Amino acid sequence: AAGVIQSPRHLIKEKRETATLKCYPIPRHDTVYWYQQGPGQDPQFLISFYEKMQSDKGSIPDRFSAQQFSDYHSELNMSSLELGDSALYFCASSLGNRGRAWDTQYFGPGTRLTVL
Amino acid sequence: RKEVEQDPGPFNVPEGATVAFNCTYSNSASQSFFWYRQDCRKEPKLLMSVYSSGNEDGRFTAQLNRASQYISLLIRDSKLSDSATYLCAVNEGKAAGNKLTFGGGTRVLVKP
Repeated sequence: AAGVIQSPRHLIKEKRETATLKCYPIPRHDTVYWYQQGPGQDPQFLISFYEKMQSDKGSIPDRFSAQQFSDYHSELNMSSLELGDSALYFCASSLGNRGRAWDTQYFGPGTRLTVL
Repeated sequence: RKEVEQDPGPFNVPEGATVAFNCTYSNSASQSFFWYRQDCRKEPKLLMSVYSSGNEDGRFTAQLNRASQYISLLIRDSKLSDSATYLCAVNEGKAAGNKLTFGGGTRVLVKP
């Protein structure tokens, strides 16, 4: 079965640079979530989109922005990168308001971001 | 206090034994509950959704206790391949954006 696709899988950036992470949800899934997982921590919710509209916002720095496009893929844009932004960034998708399992989220393989 | 809490472990389990652990949550309005398995530096993989009646999938059994606000996971006949971190996740519903709040994870090590 098709899963969530994330690219790139690994990214190395210098401080103050920008990065763009991409997420392609499972086909027919209309809701995308972004999570950040630092070393030794559990995933922390950043932001989510349903039908291309932002549906919730968590502990996402103002330096980060995200959007969901008409094909439901999403991009997380990160600017003025800091050392503390080094983490695994996971995207998850779900069926949103459709289907019995509307609340079940499936995670992509993640993007490992290293800021030097 | 964290919204979702788990015993970090590690739980050292002999192969073939049974292990069980809990996850407590603070928001009584939480609507749905999940167990995910996470291997080192990989994505959380959905193990089970947790229903009010409890549910079982092979060697895995999940229970929900709304009165005491905890969920549990029991693994029977542990295999070496069950070694992983088990994350519980709580969804507070559509009004809260459907986001998942995770516990810190419980590490399980199954040994021969």
